[in-house]
Amino acid sequence: DAGITQSPRHKVTETGTPVTLRCHQTENHRYMYWYRQDPGHGLRLIHYSYGVKDTDKGEVSDGYSVSRSKTEDFLLTLESATSSQTSVYFCAISELAANTGELFFGEGSRLTVL
Amino acid sequence: AQKITQTQPGMFVQEKEAVTLDCTYDTSDPSYGLFWYKQPSSGEMIFLIYQGSYDQQNATEGRYSLNFQKARKSANLVISASQLGDSAMYFCAMRERTGTASKLTFGTGTRLQVTL
Repeated sequence: DAGITQSPRHKVTETGTPVTLRCHQTENHRYMYWYRQDPGHGLRLIHYSYGVKDTDKGEVSDGYSVSRSKTEDFLLTLESATSSQTSVYFCAISELAANTGELFFGEGSRLTVL
Repeated sequence: AQKITQTQPGMFVQEKEAVTLDCTYDTSDPSYGLFWYKQPSSGEMIFLIYQGSYDQQNATEGRYSLNFQKARKSANLVISASQLGDSAMYFCAMRERTGTASKLTFGTGTRLQVTL
């Protein structure tokens, strides 16, 4: 199994508070992604990274920022959480040069914004 | 326009029967990849099968096969001899290049229930 750790796994917070989710990998994969999963929407890409300090927006990036200062860590920050950001967040990694370039997923982080 | 469309929110299949989960896609990139993932009730995402846009033959992985019809832009997943453990959510996804990287776009999923 790919070494991907997400923290925290569960978090309950209040509207307006900042939240940071961390994704840590031990695979030295170049590409890292943050998705959110909501019923009826499948998984939607928030942000992704193609190297240290290289990031780009996905389809639902509003209200989120990311940082990648080291190959192994990809942080997702909600500057001021809203109830619409209640979701399950998945981190994923990929190394396109290897095989099919499929994504390997973390176990998910469930965030509830009250 | 949806890039990945899964039109079956839910499906039922009897144990030991085969089932086809539909997926259509839309892209102008000549080099793309198609994936299927399984998400059981425990929540993890499990990679099942991959088809490259230039692959001539349909991909197979054990009981899973991907029925790739390029002209129709469809990439249906076929599960043969269904088992109770196949009950899960199934997602189709497409990889496209973005210039500096590539990203996967997912469909909304199909929930499969295998019955006795």
